[in-house]
Amino acid sequence: GENVEQHPSTLSVQEGDSAVIKCTYSDSASNYFPWYKQELGKRPQLIIDIRSNVGEKKDQRIAVTLNKTAKHFSLHITETQPEDSAVYFCAASIVPYSSASKIIFGSGTRLSIRP
Amino acid sequence: ETGVTQTPRHLVMGMTNKKSLKCEQHLGHNAMYWYKQSAKKPLELMFVYSLEERVENNSVPSRFSPECPNSSHLFLHLHTLQPEDSALYLCASSHDGAGTEAFFGQGTRLTVV
Repeated sequence: GENVEQHPSTLSVQEGDSAVIKCTYSDSASNYFPWYKQELGKRPQLIIDIRSNVGEKKDQRIAVTLNKTAKHFSLHITETQPEDSAVYFCAASIVPYSSASKIIFGSGTRLSIRP
Repeated sequence: ETGVTQTPRHLVMGMTNKKSLKCEQHLGHNAMYWYKQSAKKPLELMFVYSLEERVENNSVPSRFSPECPNSSHLFLHLHTLQPEDSALYLCASSHDGAGTEAFFGQGTRLTVV
């Protein structure tokens, strides 16, 4: 089955600097890669996703890149702000046409923004 | 609110008890999931239901028993749990076939004593 590795497990950056979180996946059939943010005491929520037919996607200060050959994908947050402090999870799944996606998550990265 | 509601929010149970966790969604989704979140293994997939049929059982011990009576409701029946089963249990739902966002509930914080 799919296995997703995520690094680093903790990350501390100065406010205004950029943060990068990296993930690798094992199943070359995976075709959907969402990123979730979980603030303390709250539920995980989707912040951005990318499909295997796209190499990069950007939404304001966050961007995700995908390298299918290397089975790597990364989350980039620019101009970090205190509200970016949270745990971030990458995930990979195979999306069949007519059945449930088995979304497998990475182990999470605790991001702290220093004022 | 994401439209996915879990009850109870907190549960303390003894190892010989039987209890059930409930998840409800009214988003029109046709897939529902149980995840276990603990310090050791964040967001570990347990069960997947698609159109009320179980399509994934991720090597979960039989002391956890899921039930999906309809597309809006999902249960996790618990019996003879162990202290190491203490964790946050998260339910999620999605609309399938298109790789869409999974919406999570607030979770049930379970403590086994």
